[in-house]
Amino acid sequence: EPEVTQTPSHQVTQMGQEVILRCVPISNHLYFYWYRQILGQKVEFLVSFYNNEISEKSEIFDDQFSVERPDGSNFTLKIRSTKLEDSAMYFCASRDRGLTEAFFGQGTRLTVV
Amino acid sequence: AQKITQTQPGMFVQEKEAVTLDCTYDTSDPSYGLFWYKQPSSGEMIFLIYQGSYDQQNATEGRYSLNFQKARKSANLVISASQLGDSAMYFCASRMNRDDKIIFGKGTRLHILP
Repeated sequence: EPEVTQTPSHQVTQMGQEVILRCVPISNHLYFYWYRQILGQKVEFLVSFYNNEISEKSEIFDDQFSVERPDGSNFTLKIRSTKLEDSAMYFCASRDRGLTEAFFGQGTRLTVV
Repeated sequence: AQKITQTQPGMFVQEKEAVTLDCTYDTSDPSYGLFWYKQPSSGEMIFLIYQGSYDQQNATEGRYSLNFQKARKSANLVISASQLGDSAMYFCASRMNRDDKIIFGKGTRLHILP
């Protein structure tokens, strides 16, 4: 069964460093997402991506964040200069067209120290 | 705008009993989808069930069913014959047809007791 895969599963980084979180969405899906979940809290929308551009972003997704689909299969989230409060589980998701469910990856746990 | 409300932060249920997890929603679009996800302690988000706003029948997937009451704007998840492996966090979510983002509720932590 096709699935969304994310790498790495856990990343530890120093405050101020750049990180890139990687995702391979399900191959025929058209819509891609990044969400984050601070430990024990709700799942928060960061950004959605369709047709090679951002379609919607939340207020959390400021200039420190960027997304890219460099090669038609990978979908990346970059955080330019990490802060302690960026520590969270980051989920990538993808879905097909229409009112369909989104499938999530297993998440990347980012720890900023 | 859309909003998801899950009023049960935690629930304890005896194994083999049925359990209902509450979810109410508010959306300004007549066309929308409702979803339930399970998040076990390992952290991944597992899709369980989907209900479209125009679907006439309640969605079912194995032991999961969605009690969709459109007039009351509720989309409760029913798990029949609960198992120890059902212990997890459960999130209700929605997406409006004209929107891209999926909005999540705060979740309900379900504990199944042996």
